[in-house]
Amino acid sequence: GAVVSQHPSRVICKSGTSVKIECRSLDFQATTMFWYRQFPKQSLMLMATSNEGSKATYEQGVEKDKFLINHASLTLSTLTVTSAHPEDSSFYICSATPFGARNTEAFFGQGTRLTVV
Amino acid sequence: DAKTTQPNSMESNEEEPVHLPCNHSTISGTDYIHWYRQLPSQGPEYVIHGLTSNVNNRMASLAIAEDRKSSTLILHRATLRDAAVYYCILGVYNQGGKLIFGQGTELSVKP
Repeated sequence: GAVVSQHPSRVICKSGTSVKIECRSLDFQATTMFWYRQFPKQSLMLMATSNEGSKATYEQGVEKDKFLINHASLTLSTLTVTSAHPEDSSFYICSATPFGARNTEAFFGQGTRLTVV
Repeated sequence: DAKTTQPNSMESNEEEPVHLPCNHSTISGTDYIHWYRQLPSQGPEYVIHGLTSNVNNRMASLAIAEDRKSSTLILHRATLRDAAVYYCILGVYNQGGKLIFGQGTELSVKP
């Protein structure tokens, strides 16, 4: 089946620094990818829609200047957490659906555990 | 976005069938019903989806009520590896791939 890969799977960074998380679709192209955040014992919260070649669409309450999204190719989207703070510590997950497919399954990455110290 | 309602948790015995309910009374005509599950510290995994008719695949069956206001995910023989949080999600037709997660049902399976 289709695979979405995230890198890194775990990262620890110091407060004030920036962290980049990569999301790759390994065997299909995706014009749209999605980024989610999940706190312990909670559900996934959609943060933003990453659009290839154009600006990301952010959900209400998500700071676009803090969570920078770049979707430079049909197989790669990146999420950069800028000026990270301990409250940004969370599990970040991306998903993608093959280009042209609608209402088919979404493929999720394995997630990135971010810890800000 | 249309919402779904699921029980917070359910228990099952290994090798027995499990019926996970989901209510979605505000579903629109073009919303698909998707089920995903998430094991601890992993990304969600697709289970099944459907529109109107009941659906079967190697993982599970999806029974959809005639009025589409509710559905049931059926695991025919639960195994310990089926212990996970199961999410019932309505897929917005014109936003392919965009999934709004509810709280889900945490399924525990007893040996």
